[in-house]
Amino acid sequence: EAGVAQSPRYKIIEKRQSVAFWCNPISGHATLYWYQQILGQGPKLLIQFQNNGVVDDSQLPKDRFSAERLKGVDSTLKIQPAKLEDSAVYLCASSLWGTDTYEQYFGPGTRLTVT
Amino acid sequence: GNSVTQMEGPVTLSEEAFLTINCTYTATGYPSLFWYVQYPGEGLQLLLKATKADDKGSNKGFEATYRKETTSFHLEKGSVQVSDSAVYFCALSVAGANNLFFGTGTRLTVIP
Repeated sequence: EAGVAQSPRYKIIEKRQSVAFWCNPISGHATLYWYQQILGQGPKLLIQFQNNGVVDDSQLPKDRFSAERLKGVDSTLKIQPAKLEDSAVYLCASSLWGTDTYEQYFGPGTRLTVT
Repeated sequence: GNSVTQMEGPVTLSEEAFLTINCTYTATGYPSLFWYVQYPGEGLQLLLKATKADDKGSNKGFEATYRKETTSFHLEKGSVQVSDSAVYFCALSVAGANNLFFGTGTRLTVIP
């Protein structure tokens, strides 16, 4: 079974530029999550999708971050404009919807450096 | 609210030493508890889990017991190996929320 795919793996941009990350979850997983992991900290949830609807985006800085999940499969996370404090690893995870929704499967992450 | 407090690292041990990484939690509901591991250059992987009080999760020689009375879920291994070098994250999930709340992570380095 293929795991969660993310691209790109690394990205370096200057502040005020825009950037987009892509995630392809495990086939059949209805729930998709984006987390931000700042160096030395644990991952923090940015947004959670159930199919193509948003379940929780309370921690998403909506003035600069946006995310969508077209057709309930792939998802993109965008930052525009980027700030220095956005430097982090952005993790995508997916899970089944049902009794084991808490068991999340993570992709390798995208390491973003904003200079 | 929901939060996880994890023993700060880094932790350096010799091969075959005993490992304990402490984890305590606060939760608004009845949580499920997890340990995730992040090996160098790889994504987070679920190491073990426990979904109710007194459950013991185990995998790859690691164990953790869900202690409701002390709100703890400490990770232990009797004899660590160099290949166990990684960052370990304690996490919880509360029914109805589904997202994970992570601790800050503990970096373990095992030296031969």
